[in-house]
Order: sequence, then structure tokens, then C-alpha cells
Amino acid sequence: EAGVVQSPRYKIIEKKQPVAFWCNPISGHNTLYWYLQNLGQGPELLIRYENEEAVDDSQLPKDRFSAERLKGVDSTLKIQPAELGDSAVYLCASSIDRNTGELFFGEGSRLTVL
Amino acid sequence: AQSVTQLGSHVSVSEGALVLLRCNYSSSVPPYLFWYVQYPNQGLQLLLKYTSAATLVKGINGFEAEFKKSETSFHLTKPSAHMSDAAEYFCAVSARGRGYSTLTFGKGTMLLVSP
Repeated sequence: EAGVVQSPRYKIIEKKQPVAFWCNPISGHNTLYWYLQNLGQGPELLIRYENEEAVDDSQLPKDRFSAERLKGVDSTLKIQPAELGDSAVYLCASSIDRNTGELFFGEGSRLTVL
Repeated sequence: AQSVTQLGSHVSVSEGALVLLRCNYSSSVPPYLFWYVQYPNQGLQLLLKYTSAATLVKGINGFEAEFKKSETSFHLTKPSAHMSDAAEYFCAVSARGRGYSTLTFGKGTMLLVSP
């Protein structure tokens, strides 16, 4: 069974440029998460989807960040414009049992903003 | 509200020594508790989970953890460290029975294993 797939793995951009990350969850997992992981820190939730619906986006900086999950499968996280402080790893995860919170993570997309 | 505190950002052990990584949690409702491991440049992988069955939970790679409600702790142990155990370990909590449950992570503990 394929795991959670993310792309790109690495991205380097100049500040004020836009960037997008893509995630394909495990087949059959209706719940999808985007987490932000700063260096030396634990992951912090940005947004959670149940199928197409964003059920928790309270931590998403909506002035520059946006996300979508069309058709309840793949998801895209966008930053526009990027700032120096956005340099981090963006992790996508999915789960089949939303009650326990057991997550399956992708390898992450590492963003460097210069 | 829920939170996790991991004591010690770095823990160093010798190969063959006992591994003990500490985690204390705070939760207003009975929790589910997890330990995840992250190897360099990889995503997080589940080591073990506590979901209200046995309080002593066994996971992959010889790790285990014990849920102690009176101490609000969920420490991770392994009797004998291997070089391959060197990685970052994250404790996490979610609220049981809340339907849409979100995992809250600690800041992580880097395990260093020396020969």
C-alpha cells in the first residue's frame, strides 16, 4: 500500500514569491492534515480536512496561506507571498480513524525562503 | 485543551544501555497518547499508541511505554539501545471521544546513541 506522497521534497524561493505544496493521502483516508514543523520543534497543525471540508483551520495564517482539497482526495497548500519566517518543513498526514488521531505522515516538503 | 511536555531536548546513551524518554501530558478529557519517531529528512512514523486498553503498550523496534494516569505520564523505554535508534522522538496527545480529534505534539527529544 502506498503511503502519503508529498511534492516537492525541497523548494528554494526568494521572499515574496508564491509556492505550492501537493499531497496525496493514503487511499481511503478521509481525514487529511497539514502540519508545519520548524527546526527543532514538533509539528503544529495548520489545517485539517474531513473529505472536502476544512473542519479546523484556526491556526492557518489566512492572509498568506490557503489550502484546498478538491474532490476529497489530493490537497494543495499555497503560500503567497512567502516570507523569510516561512522556512520550515510542511508535513501532510492522513488518517482513517478520526477519533483516535493516529496519523500517517508523508516525508514532508522543506521550504527555504531567501 | 491538551498539551504535551517532553523533558530533555537531547538524551545521550551508549549502545546497549537503557533508553528512557520522558513525556507528561495535560488533557481535560481522557487522552489517547502516541509516540512517533522521525529519522533525518523523513516524515514521522508511529512507534506505539495508548487508546485505553492495556496501560503498558508495546510498539515497534522493541520500544514500550506505560500510561500512568496518576502521574499524567507516558514515558518511552527500550531495554537496550541500538545505533539505529538514533532519531528524534515526539510524544503526542489527542482528546478521546471528541469525534474530530487533533493530535498535539511535544517539542521532541533527540536520542543520540554512542558506540
